[in-house]
Amino acid sequence: QVQLQESGPGLVKPSETLSLTCTVSGGSISSGGYFWSWIRQHPGKGLEWIGYIYQSGSTFYNPSLKSRLTMSVDTSQNHFSLRLTSVTAADTAVYYCVREANYNNYGSYYYYMDVWGKGTTVTVSS
Amino acid sequence: IVLTQSPGTLSLSPGDTATLSCRASQSIGSNYVAWYQYRPGQAPRLLIHGASRRATDIPDRFSGSGSGTDFTLTISRLEPEDFAVYYCQQYGTSPRYTFGQGTRLE
Repeated sequence: QVQLQESGPGLVKPSETLSLTCTVSGGSISSGGYFWSWIRQHPGKGLEWIGYIYQSGSTFYNPSLKSRLTMSVDTSQNHFSLRLTSVTAADTAVYYCVREANYNNYGSYYYYMDVWGKGTTVTVSS
Repeated sequence: IVLTQSPGTLSLSPGDTATLSCRASQSIGSNYVAWYQYRPGQAPRLLIHGASRRATDIPDRFSGSGSGTDFTLTISRLEPEDFAVYYCQQYGTSPRYTFGQGTRLE
């Protein structure tokens, strides 16, 4: 059974860089067939998809974060990471790493999040 | 596409049936809707994808239905562990995903 675990600092100063890592256990990123993603939930607000990375290193980011975001993957360590630069209080949120699976619906694929980490709270404050 | 979930809070008892609604601001092609369960301190859990396909190991008390703009998650014979927050989500292109604001089942 695949499990995901987020790690990283819980407090980041404004204008600095937020870095998180998601360690995958019970399965291998290299096995393919999935996207590895980050989602966040601001306090008292909705969920926001941040971006995904594939085992090959190819990425797709939320346009609203693209200029500040870098995702990377280390298949030898079976983890993937997120870097968000120039953070502000608006980046305070619970960050989840997730696995995106796909389903072939009569030749048209759709995606959904089938495995989630428990989430890690990141506060941006001086 | 904006997803609006109703009610915001649903108060029921164990053994009851819960009906949670998710309405889209425009038609969702091919019913690319999923439902997730959030319990405090636990990893969120996928319940339903493709509007009506139950995820692996999800009991048949959970069922999804709907098409177009109106989708429903029904939970029959409520168990104590079912009292949680539920989110609907649609898969699109830009943005890739949008989520409803959640329904709290208490």
